[in-house]
Amino acid sequence: DGGITQSPKYLFRKEGQNVTLSCEQNLNHDAMYWYRQDPGQGLRLIYYSQIVNDFQKGDIAEGYSVSREKKESFPLTVTSAQKNPTAFYLCASSIVGQGAKNIQYFGAGTRLSVL
Amino acid sequence: QKEVEQDPGPLSVPEGAIVSLNCTYSNSAFQYFMWYRQYSRKGPELLMYTYSSGNKEDGRFTAQVDKSSKYISLFIRDSQPSDSATYLCAMSLYSSASKIIFGSGTRLSIRP
Repeated sequence: DGGITQSPKYLFRKEGQNVTLSCEQNLNHDAMYWYRQDPGQGLRLIYYSQIVNDFQKGDIAEGYSVSREKKESFPLTVTSAQKNPTAFYLCASSIVGQGAKNIQYFGAGTRLSVL
Repeated sequence: QKEVEQDPGPLSVPEGAIVSLNCTYSNSAFQYFMWYRQYSRKGPELLMYTYSSGNKEDGRFTAQVDKSSKYISLFIRDSQPSDSATYLCAMSLYSSASKIIFGSGTRLSIRP
């Protein structure tokens, strides 16, 4: 079954702690994305990557970091510098290439809360 | 002003009704328009994908784009309780892995 797997489903962070959210895809997509979703605000782009070992900041990258060492994996670290991390985090992926439609496929999300 | 505006609802209609969901946008350069459906505590899933102006139909769903008015719509015919979800409009300038701007979503409830 092809898809995007995010883990864990629920995560709790203590003050001053860094936490890492996992995102794995077996769709063979080149591009991967991280979004944050807050009530009434829609999806906001944190980071994206179009190729292994390369990534760009989105609109709200401060307090977050990513890596893209493998095509299938794009983990997101929420650092202690992110003062308001409570949100629903969504990972997505898409095909890159001429003629490819700009369709992003999403995982089931990780809900992060602060203890 | 947000690039994409969407009424958050909630919108509650009886089963079988026709539902109309709408978004307005400010950037006239947007060319690709999408509607995603998101069930509670789940990730969004693509419902409709359209390019430029016009209508597109898929089963009970019709997407409509009016670029002159910078207005897009999603119509749901013969609505079912299983259509109860949040609907997000989305749009982008280019195809293939370019940035997508999402609306804030409209929460829809279909009453049996």
